Amino acid sequence: AQSVTQPDIHITVSEGASLELRCNYSYGATPYLFWYVQSPGQGLQLLLKYFSGDTLVQGIKGFEAEFKRSQSSFNLRKPSVHWSDAAEYFCAVGHTGTASKLTFGTGTRLQVTL
Amino acid sequence: NAGVTQTPKFRVLKTGQSMTLLCAQDMNHEYMYWYRQDPGMGLRLIHYSVGEGTTAKGEVPDGYNVSRLKKQNFLLGLESAAPSQTSVYFCASSWTSQGTQYFGPGTRLLVL
Repeated sequence: AQSVTQPDIHITVSEGASLELRCNYSYGATPYLFWYVQSPGQGLQLLLKYFSGDTLVQGIKGFEAEFKRSQSSFNLRKPSVHWSDAAEYFCAVGHTGTASKLTFGTGTRLQVTL
Repeated sequence: NAGVTQTPKFRVLKTGQSMTLLCAQDMNHEYMYWYRQDPGMGLRLIHYSVGEGTTAKGEVPDGYNVSRLKKQNFLLGLESAAPSQTSVYFCASSWTSQGTQYFGPGTRLLVL
């Protein structure tokens, strides 16, 4: 069965510092991978996705992620964090079946200190 | 263009009561999904639909029923609510099976 692991439940970074959120997946075939962000009391918004091709994916709000097949990872990065980036971040793997049923990780809550 | 909307935003039920959550999308998407979000567990798929008139079970379907009579609407029903169904429920839709899923703002449900 497919699964997603986000090992960091909570991360605190200073504004302006770099950020890396970890995501590891388990999936038998080539995965479809996603990062979503959820602000407090809001729904989820897609940051970026990987289906195939270039393993470095650019997303919205200055985020990027790199797919590393050998490490089964899809870590999210941002070179300089802004206070508005404080939110919960979810990694997800998509199924290549009849519908894009997503399996989500448990999320990483990002706190940004000024 | 409202995207994905959910009704109601918040509801309190007593054990054994029934209710229906409504999801509506105005993007003409074929695929629609219902998830529940619980602390420390991420989102889990309850049911989904690949088109009008179709429904299928997801990861945690027990205690829920769904219907997709119109393409733009996806209803989630709880016939006899239980405290274990206290959660935040999210609806999502996508154009294709690998397309980006667009999420609604969520419905917070408390079952006493």
